[in-house]
Amino acid sequence: NAGVMQNPRHLVRRRGQEARLRCSPMKGHSHVYWYRQLPEEGLKFMVYLQKENIIDESGMPKERFSAEFPKEGPSILRIQQVVRGDSAAYFCASSPNLQASDGQYFGPGTRLTVT
Amino acid sequence: SQQGEEDPQALSIQEGENATMNCSYKTSINNLQWYRQNSGRGLVHLILIRSNEREKHSGRLRVTLDTSKKSSSLLITASRAADTASYFCATPRANLIFGKGTKLSVKP
Repeated sequence: NAGVMQNPRHLVRRRGQEARLRCSPMKGHSHVYWYRQLPEEGLKFMVYLQKENIIDESGMPKERFSAEFPKEGPSILRIQQVVRGDSAAYFCASSPNLQASDGQYFGPGTRLTVT
Repeated sequence: SQQGEEDPQALSIQEGENATMNCSYKTSINNLQWYRQNSGRGLVHLILIRSNEREKHSGRLRVTLDTSKKSSSLLITASRAADTASYFCATPRANLIFGKGTKLSVKP
């Protein structure tokens, strides 16, 4: 049973470009969470999705950021017109349950560098 | 605002010693979870303690929870160099709310 998969592992973008981060949850998990981690910081929640639905996007910046989890395929976190401040590690997690109550399974992360 | 705050921010010990990390939180919880993050890697779920539990063991890990003080501690006994990592406590809402972590360094 493969764990949570994220790709790419490293992504370099110039200012103004778009970044697309992908996350495939564990088999049987229909709940996906995206977190952002700045250097020397803990993880900050961004968005929580179920298949085809955004449940909670309270942690996501209002502009330039969007997320989706289609019926088929991975969840995508999309950052348009990236800026240097978007440089961070982005982690995806999945869980089988309605909420994060019993723990989440994390992917290895995508490290985004904006030059 | 952050729900969990770990203390200390950094801890350096010798192999074989015990390491204790503390976590304080602000609101009521159903459970509290501890995670480990090796440098440059994702998080690994270590242990979950429910609000009606006071202590829980898993291998060399011992977690305590004091809901009256809104605090938890993680004890790693007989530490090894491989335990070097950052440790985070997290409390669940629909998502997990993480503290900034304790960076543990175990010297061989």
